[in-house]
Amino acid sequence: AQRVTQPEKLLSVFKGAPVELKCNYSYSGSPELFWYVQYSRQRLQLLLRHISRESIKGFTADLNKGETSFHLKKPFAQEEDSAMYYCALGHGRVQGAQKLVFGQGTRLTINP
Amino acid sequence: DGGITQSPKYLFRKEGQNVTLSCEQNLNHDAMYWYRQDPGQGLRLIYYSQIVNDFQKGDIAEGYSVSREKKESFPLTVTSAQKNPTAFYLCASTRSRESYEQYFGPGTRLTVT
Repeated sequence: AQRVTQPEKLLSVFKGAPVELKCNYSYSGSPELFWYVQYSRQRLQLLLRHISRESIKGFTADLNKGETSFHLKKPFAQEEDSAMYYCALGHGRVQGAQKLVFGQGTRLTINP
Repeated sequence: DGGITQSPKYLFRKEGQNVTLSCEQNLNHDAMYWYRQDPGQGLRLIYYSQIVNDFQKGDIAEGYSVSREKKESFPLTVTSAQKNPTAFYLCASTRSRESYEQYFGPGTRLTVT
């Protein structure tokens, strides 16, 4: 069965410190992985996807198939990074409707 | 702001009553989804619909029903059979068949007492 695990419910770091939000997945097929973010009083939105191998707002995430991980990293945290972060696994497309499995979420707090 | 709208923002119902949550989108997206968000459990898929007049059960469909009579609308009914209906409900849609990017609505918080 498909599963996404985010081991940390809460993560607190100081401004300027490195950040790493952990995500592990379980999936027998070829995974498509994503990070979604929800800032305070805003909607849940896509942050980045592993296929595009991009850096968004200074965040990067590398898919490690050997370790079945997709950790989200940023070298220098900023206060505006405080938010709820969800890792998600794409595991099926039925006539154009993709299904995502979400992790439990990690609430990141950046302290000044 | 447009895109996906959900109404109302807060909803209160007595136990034993059915309640329908609204989800409307003006993005011309084909696929729409309903999730339930509970603390510590992330988002769980209730139902999804890839085209008008067709929909599929997600992982936790029991006690819920949906309809998709129009492309822009995907209402969710929480029935009295749902044992723990109090939750935050999110609606989402996807832009195209090639995209996994889901656009989310602002959510409806349902409280059943």
